[in-house]
Amino acid sequence: EVQLVESGGGLVQPGGSLRLSCAVSGFSISYNYMSWVRQAPGKGLEWVSIIYSAGTTSYADSVKGRFTMSKDNSNNTIFLQMRSLRAEDTAVYYCASLYWSSGSCHVDHWGQGTRITVSS
Amino acid sequence: SYVLTQSPSGSVAPGKTATITCGGDNIGDKIVHWYQQKSGQAPMLVIHDDSDRPSGIPERFSGSNSGNTATLTISRVEAGDEADYYCQVWDSSSDHVVFGGGTKLTVL
Repeated sequence: EVQLVESGGGLVQPGGSLRLSCAVSGFSISYNYMSWVRQAPGKGLEWVSIIYSAGTTSYADSVKGRFTMSKDNSNNTIFLQMRSLRAEDTAVYYCASLYWSSGSCHVDHWGQGTRITVSS
Repeated sequence: SYVLTQSPSGSVAPGKTATITCGGDNIGDKIVHWYQQKSGQAPMLVIHDDSDRPSGIPERFSGSNSGNTATLTISRVEAGDEADYYCQVWDSSSDHVVFGGGTKLTVL
């Protein structure tokens, strides 16, 4: 059974940092693309970042330069290091695995989400 | 970057057909996926690759994509279909996943 379990959420002050983790079981992240997707309170889904199997990354413009996505293949875990956090980063952050085919990808598995609140 | 446009809300009576659209520039040249998100839950894939249903998704859910509009159709709507629905594409020009703004479907 595939499971994605996020951790690391909580309350942080503006300008602060936080690191999210996503422990994956049921498949190897070594060969899969993984993403973070967030959802602000009462708002829609917003893609945050992607990490390819080789470890290269891409980010949404809203977080580029502040967030860093990485992975530990040996522990089958992905991370999101968030710095210079702003109130508008307040959201539920979902870990997501991507299924790639025919030049497109979709999310085939979602975590349960971890809540980040940026507030003083 | 590529933009997907969805109507914020829609409503349908039980047993009727719901049509949810997703607009984008020449979206017919892209591959569209659809997610359902019920209140307090993580999203769930209901249509992938324009019109394919994942295992376990009822045949009542179907999708199409042409020109500047992709469409999710839910036939014989049930109360349990009340949810937010999001379209999604991969934008190869920016290497970004793109979501539409979501449509809140209310079953009357």
